[in-house]
Amino acid sequence: DTAVSQTPKYLVTQMGNDKSIKCEQNLGHDTMYWYKQDSKKFLKIMFSYNNKELIINETVPNRFSPKSPDKAHLNLHINSLELGDSAVYFCASSQEFSGSSYEQYFGPGTRLTVT
Amino acid sequence: AQKITQTQPGMFVQEKEAVTLDCTYDTSDPSYGLFWYKQPSSGEMIFLIYQGSYDQQNATEGRYSLNFQKARKSANLVISASQLGDSAMYFCAMRADSNYKLTFGKGTLLTVNP
Repeated sequence: DTAVSQTPKYLVTQMGNDKSIKCEQNLGHDTMYWYKQDSKKFLKIMFSYNNKELIINETVPNRFSPKSPDKAHLNLHINSLELGDSAVYFCASSQEFSGSSYEQYFGPGTRLTVT
Repeated sequence: AQKITQTQPGMFVQEKEAVTLDCTYDTSDPSYGLFWYKQPSSGEMIFLIYQGSYDQQNATEGRYSLNFQKARKSANLVISASQLGDSAMYFCAMRADSNYKLTFGKGTLLTVNP
């Protein structure tokens, strides 16, 4: 039983294309996230949704647009892909309530390669 | 602003020995959480252990323990009885209770030698 799943696992595309990455969690969590891990393994948050409401929007080009149709899904759409977008993108989820340790559970990652 | 510093880019340890991975943090928030994640070469991010800033005791999870020294703002991960499968990248992270943002350090690559 996969807790946080992402599709696709690998994505190879050309500059200028538009692509989407899908994420689903079956943990019943109310908060979901997108992270980018660069070639030096540095992880940085991009977006977060709590109950379908955008709560974190870091300094990310507006070519990146998250969409949360319901609290179990958070998709990432990227327009006009650039070489610098090549990275591993991780989806994560957590349950936010008072007293919890709110640890985030991560999906397997999507390796995006832009050529 | 939150900041996590991991000063050891790489560490080596012999199988069955203990190893400490260093992590220091900086935040102005009085209430926060500290986390350690493991990323093996297969790429997934695995949650290991959590410490709350008001927890009186150091967190432990099996062979993992977190040496939390609040005054020194350090949250070192101790792995006892290292196994070959512990070879991986380890990330320290923190978030303030006032926001959802998890800030990661740059990671430490641990290699366990047989």
